[in-house]
Amino acid sequence: QVQLVQSGAEVKKPGASVTVSCETSGYAFTSSDINWVRQAPGQGLEWMGWMSPDSDNRGYAQKFQGRVSMTRNNSISTAYMELRSLTAEDTAVYFCATPGDSPFDHWGQGTLVTVSS
Amino acid sequence: SFELTQPPSVSVSPGQTAGITCSGDALPKQYAYWYQQKPGQAPVLVIYKDTERPSGIPERFSGSTSGTTVTLTISGVQAEDEADYYCQSADSSGTYVFGAGTKVTVL
Repeated sequence: QVQLVQSGAEVKKPGASVTVSCETSGYAFTSSDINWVRQAPGQGLEWMGWMSPDSDNRGYAQKFQGRVSMTRNNSISTAYMELRSLTAEDTAVYFCATPGDSPFDHWGQGTLVTVSS
Repeated sequence: SFELTQPPSVSVSPGQTAGITCSGDALPKQYAYWYQQKPGQAPVLVIYKDTERPSGIPERFSGSTSGTTVTLTISGVQAEDEADYYCQSADSSGTYVFGAGTKVTVL
């Protein structure tokens, strides 16, 4: 079955960067987009961006442009999301997701990123 | 981009019907999707392409659409349906948007 396993929780200081990984299995990773979504504590879901299977196409939500980078390594079926210049407002659970019946059909378990001085 | 508007909360007694609306100007042109999220868990798709139900989702979940509003209906609500529900769609440029979410409370 489709599985997306994300890296563990992170604690970062303001101004730092964080990279979250998303290791996948059980489906054709090299043929599927990857989306990233975050959820601040007690808040709703917020789409961050997507990446095409061949990495040639990316789309970032305007709010994150210039501060986020999404990459993937198809040889190990793993996607990465780097967020830079962190502030306390970036404290959230970050999810990777892949399409199926919907753009967000299969989800990782989430990675908590805490930004604190 | 555009916005999707959902009510913050809906309360319903067990066995009754809950309806959650989602409004947005792009909805007549773009499909809507619905996700259920329970505390501490990742979201789960419950309706896709406005009205379709994924395999494994109970028949009591259904979707409908009318103009700029889509509706998720839960018929015969059960205690296990207590969760947050999010609608999601896209604009013409491929930007994805989620509604703010609706908390369904089973009384």
